[in-house]
Amino acid sequence: QKEVEQNSGPLSVPEGAIASLNCTYSDRGSQSFFWYRQYSGKSPELIMSIYSNGDKEDGRFTAQLNKASQYVSLLIRDSQPSDSATYLCAVNPLYGGSQGNLIFGKGTKLSVKP
Amino acid sequence: DAGVTQSPTHLIKTRGQQVTLRCSPISGHKSVSWYQQVLGQGPQFIFQYYEKEERGRGNFPDRFSARQFPNYSSELNVNALLLGDSALYLCASSLEGRTKSEQYFGPGTRLTVT
Repeated sequence: QKEVEQNSGPLSVPEGAIASLNCTYSDRGSQSFFWYRQYSGKSPELIMSIYSNGDKEDGRFTAQLNKASQYVSLLIRDSQPSDSATYLCAVNPLYGGSQGNLIFGKGTKLSVKP
Repeated sequence: DAGVTQSPTHLIKTRGQQVTLRCSPISGHKSVSWYQQVLGQGPQFIFQYYEKEERGRGNFPDRFSARQFPNYSSELNVNALLLGDSALYLCASSLEGRTKSEQYFGPGTRLTVT
């Protein structure tokens, strides 16, 4: 069974620090990887996508992918209290019933303390 | 541009009843996926439709069905509701229903079954 694993947290960091969120996945053939942010009571919001090994930066966010280790991470620099949310890692497996199917982890709850 | 819209926002039903949830994708997007999210878990894939055809189905019973209309909007139907169907139902739209297609979520429909 294809799985995506995340530490549930909560992960607590002080304002201005770097928050590091990690995710591992079981399907070695996975092609696409996504990070979503979900505020309490709201729907997930796409913040990063990454498809190739290495780093991808967008503003304060950096996604890192290592397919050999089946590992994806998200770094948030200069963390702000407004970054406090649950961060969901999602993987598009090579075979999963449809190519558009996303498998999600349970999410990591991030708390940024002022 | 308008994002993904879903209706209704909230819904309360009784066990055994039937419910229909509606979704309109982002303009120009041809693929719609449905997910179920229970508290404390990541979204779980239910269906994907692309160009009015079912592209994939998750591990949900036959009580769940969906369709996509010529204007790419979609409906999710759930029959014979159970208490365990209480969840946030999310619709996501993407340009195409393929790997590397970024999915954008609507605000969701909160279904409570009593």
